[in-house]
Formats: sequence, C-alpha cells, structure tokens
Amino acid sequence: GQQVKQSSPSLTVQEGGISILNCDYENDMFDYFAWYKKYPDNSPTLLISVRSNVDKREDGRLTVFLNKSGKHFSLHITASQPEDTAVYLCAADTNAYKVIFGKGTHLHVLP
Amino acid sequence: EAAVTQSPRNKVTVTGGNVTLSCRQTNSHNYMYWYRQDTGHGLRLIHYSYGAGNLQIGDVPDGYKATRTTQEDFFLLLELASPSQTSLYFCASNRDWGGSAETLYFGSGTRLTVL
Repeated sequence: GQQVKQSSPSLTVQEGGISILNCDYENDMFDYFAWYKKYPDNSPTLLISVRSNVDKREDGRLTVFLNKSGKHFSLHITASQPEDTAVYLCAADTNAYKVIFGKGTHLHVLP
Repeated sequence: EAAVTQSPRNKVTVTGGNVTLSCRQTNSHNYMYWYRQDTGHGLRLIHYSYGAGNLQIGDVPDGYKATRTTQEDFFLLLELASPSQTSLYFCASNRDWGGSAETLYFGSGTRLTVL
C-alpha cells in the first residue's frame, strides 16, 4: 500500500490566495516530515520540514502543520504567486533513512 | 554546498539492453538513494545504501540492481532494460545525523528511454 499519500493530483489557486497541500501517511513510526518543490525535469528541492515532536513550523510564506493523531501533515503557502506553480511532493521517514515520497500535487497559481 | 553528480544526463537504449547509471557524491554522506520519477507516481524508491558494499531494497526494485563501490559512488544497473523502465532517475545522498526526510541532496537526474 501507499505509505505516503497525496490524494489531490492538482490544485488551482488565485494569485494572493492561500494554497493548502495535504499529505496522509500510514506508518506510525514516521518521525520526519518534509515538503519538496519540483519543476519538470529538475530535481526536487527541500522547502520546509518538521520532526514529529513539533506540530507546526513557519518559514516566511510557508507553514507546515503536523497532526500525528490523524496521520496527516499539510503545507500552507500564503500570498500565493504564479512562480509558486510547481509540483509539491511530501516525504516522510523513520530514523531508518528510508525516505518515502507521495505522488505529488501540481499547484497552479493563476495571475 | 553538497554535490551529487549523475551521469549520463540522457540515455537511449533498446529493449534487452544493458544500462548503467552512475552517481557520485562529494558530501561525505553515508546514505545514497536511487529514485525513479514518473507522472502520476511521484518519486519511487528503487534501492538505497548506507555505505560501501551495503545495499537496501526500496519499494520498486524489480528489474534493477545496484552497487555501492565506495562511499562516493552508487550505480544503478539495468541488465535487461524494458520500455517500462523509461523514466527520469534521480540519485540522492543523505547525511546520517539530524533529520533524514529533510536532508536529501539530489542530483540533476538521468532521463532514460528504452525503445
């Protein structure tokens, strides 16, 4: 089964709005959670991450929320801009270093 | 700045062909990974390794072998390539302290086409 699941393959948001990207996971042992951004034919780049002992982390326009009881984490992007258009991949890992990615959500920010 | 270099950038082969994808990292990291990226599937883990001579099975290992010859070098081998292995392949390395999902360093990718 899919251990890390992004159920929305795409999301469209108006410029200036809030983009909310969601990720669900199955493994109770996951301890690290991250969001990566990816452009076509480019390698993923890390945006923001949290460890399981934190339920929220902010970095500029980005906030990641972790709900361990619900096995869910999300990425909120405020003041969304057209240059935020990309594929966003969530990732999770136990401390065994087997890093598992979701299928990705393609965010479109319309000007 | 951490560096992960993949070669070749592009490769075309025929069904049944023998292909080796190379990855070198100069980060002094112990962990290295091979992923494939396909539309609708995100990144899927093929094999990974935590040091020279070590190999761990990922989630989609069928049809692939891998070998970690040194701390720096990790190779992905397709001994009988099939069209289903047409994909964009990424290598990554990871430090072995602190977080892990948050500390992957990726190469630029190798696009493999199997005709």
